[in-house]
Amino acid sequence: KQEVTQIPAALSVPEGENLVLNCSFTDSAIYNLQWFRQDPGKGLTSLLLIQSSQREQTSGRLNASLDKSSGRSTLYIAASQPGDSATYLCAVIVNTDKLIFGTGTRLQVFP
Amino acid sequence: GAVVSQHPSRVICKSGTSVKIECRSLDFQATTMFWYRQFPKKSLMLMATSNEGSKATYEQGVEKDKFLINHASLTLSTLTVTSAHPEDSSFYICSARGYLAGPYNEQFFGPGTRLTVL
Repeated sequence: KQEVTQIPAALSVPEGENLVLNCSFTDSAIYNLQWFRQDPGKGLTSLLLIQSSQREQTSGRLNASLDKSSGRSTLYIAASQPGDSATYLCAVIVNTDKLIFGTGTRLQVFP
Repeated sequence: GAVVSQHPSRVICKSGTSVKIECRSLDFQATTMFWYRQFPKKSLMLMATSNEGSKATYEQGVEKDKFLINHASLTLSTLTVTSAHPEDSSFYICSARGYLAGPYNEQFFGPGTRLTVL
């Protein structure tokens, strides 16, 4: 059974810091891995999607890497801003259909 | 593009009543829609997958008679919580996937519906 874990569960940092959020999964047989952002009481915003054949994806200040063999992905946030405060979820995509979500990292960036 | 809406965004109902939540793909045809449930400070759990014109496939542990899912058109799926009880209170999120919605079988998520059962 695929399990997805995210570390740390919560993070509070001053503005300007570079951050690394971690995601690990137990079964390397995945199609893709996706990172999402969720603001309190809101739906999900897709940040980055990495295909299983790819190593990383970049969008602006965000960079996500994927190491399938070790069952790990990291989301790197450069020069964090208060507007980055949210919960970050990673999800692995299995069987082309199912998204299995991680436990989330609650990020707070203070001025 | 690839916008998914949900209605209502928030609903409060009395125990024993039924509540219907709509999920619509606004600018693409959704061949498959997914319904998730999220408890406070927890992650999303897939409840069911529905393909247009066919019966939904429910995840283990999800009562299909409790959570009725209909996907009658390529742009609309509904989730009906029947005889709702306080333990059904949760945040329900739908997602949709279609041929033109994006590459890699990407799912696009709605804004969620907060259900509170009194």
